[in-house]
Amino acid sequence: GNSVTQMEGPVTLSEEAFLTINCTYTATGYPSLFWYVQYPGEGLQLLLKATKADDKGSNKGFEATYRKETTSFHLEKGSVQVSDSAVYFCALSRQAGTALIFGKGTTLSVSS
Amino acid sequence: GAVVSQHPSRVICKSGTSVKIECRSLDFQATTMFWYRQFPKQSLMLMATSNEGSKATYEQGVEKDKFLINHASLTLSTLTVTSAHPEDSSFYICSARESDRVSEQYFGPGTRLTVT
Repeated sequence: GNSVTQMEGPVTLSEEAFLTINCTYTATGYPSLFWYVQYPGEGLQLLLKATKADDKGSNKGFEATYRKETTSFHLEKGSVQVSDSAVYFCALSRQAGTALIFGKGTTLSVSS
Repeated sequence: GAVVSQHPSRVICKSGTSVKIECRSLDFQATTMFWYRQFPKQSLMLMATSNEGSKATYEQGVEKDKFLINHASLTLSTLTVTSAHPEDSSFYICSARESDRVSEQYFGPGTRLTVT
């Protein structure tokens, strides 16, 4: 079946450090891939997405590239800020508008 | 941007009672809403897909008679947990799909249910 596996947290970094959160997926066909972020006390917000192989999603300094050959969609940011502290979820959908399948989430904590 | 609200944000109820959770799209129409459940340190698991004006579609293993879903309008879906038990304690999250923008989903802030 379809599934998403992302690295266990928490991830603790100093401000301006480089961030990578690994995400791999199992799916039939050509799913769309997403990263969502959940700040404390708030709902999930779409951070970025990619809908086909080799697409790169980017937003707020975060990037992720859809790699079909490695079935991965790793999240990266070159220089994290304290305000990036949140829980990050990798997710896929089998086709546009369908429900999402989520990874377990990775908690990021950035200190100044 | 599109906003989805949930009410209540937290609820504590006694075992055997029923609890209703509302999910509203505040500034857009949502033909489809999704209900998820999240256990501590676990991923969000889809419970059901709610379509306006028709019966909800439940995922395998989700009891439709226990988790009643009603999507009576384009801006409101409700989840009623009937005869709640402590094992139903969880974080319930809805998302709404904008009718005109099928690829986008917007999430509510979630409802923390505690059954004592």
